[in-house]
Amino acid sequence: KQEVTQIPAALSVPEGENLVLNCSFTDSAIYNLQWFRQDPGKGLTSLLLIQSSQREQTSGRLNASLDKSSGRSTLYIAASQPGDSATYLCAVRTRDTDKLIFGTGTRLQVFP
Amino acid sequence: DVKVTQSSRYLVKRTGEKVFLECVQDMDHENMFWYRQDPGLGLRLIYFSYDVKMKEKGDIPEGYSVSREKKERFSLILESASTNQTSMYLCASSFQGAKNIQYFGAGTRLSVL
Repeated sequence: KQEVTQIPAALSVPEGENLVLNCSFTDSAIYNLQWFRQDPGKGLTSLLLIQSSQREQTSGRLNASLDKSSGRSTLYIAASQPGDSATYLCAVRTRDTDKLIFGTGTRLQVFP
Repeated sequence: DVKVTQSSRYLVKRTGEKVFLECVQDMDHENMFWYRQDPGLGLRLIYFSYDVKMKEKGDIPEGYSVSREKKERFSLILESASTNQTSMYLCASSFQGAKNIQYFGAGTRLSVL
């Protein structure tokens, strides 16, 4: 059964730092991996989607990488800002299904 | 812009009540999903639907049912609410096909007293 883990569970950094959030999964037979952002009390917003054939995706200050063979993905946030404060969730889609399996998230706080 | 709308942001119900959570999407998506989110457990799939009147159980369907009479609307039903169903409920929708992104509603925070 696929399990998705995110470490650390919480992270607090000063504004301007570059940071890395980690996501690991137990079954490497994934179709794709998606990173989401969730603000307190709100729904999820999709940030990046990486197909299994890709190694990375970039959007603005965000860069997500995927190493399928080792069961890992990282979300790199450059020059962090207080507005980046949120919970970041990764989710994997196993083959031949539209269902996502989520990690428990990393709660990020960026302080001025 | 894709819009997934959940009818209530907050709900307070009593044990034993029948509860309806409604979700509507405006992008003609085939797939719709219901999740619950609890601290330390993350998001868990309750049910999903890949077409009108079609449904499939997720990981935690016990105590829940769903209805999809129209493509744009997916309802989650708690037949007899219990305190352990106090949670944040999130609805999502997507086109069919594993390459497609799931879009989420703002969530309904349900408290069962």
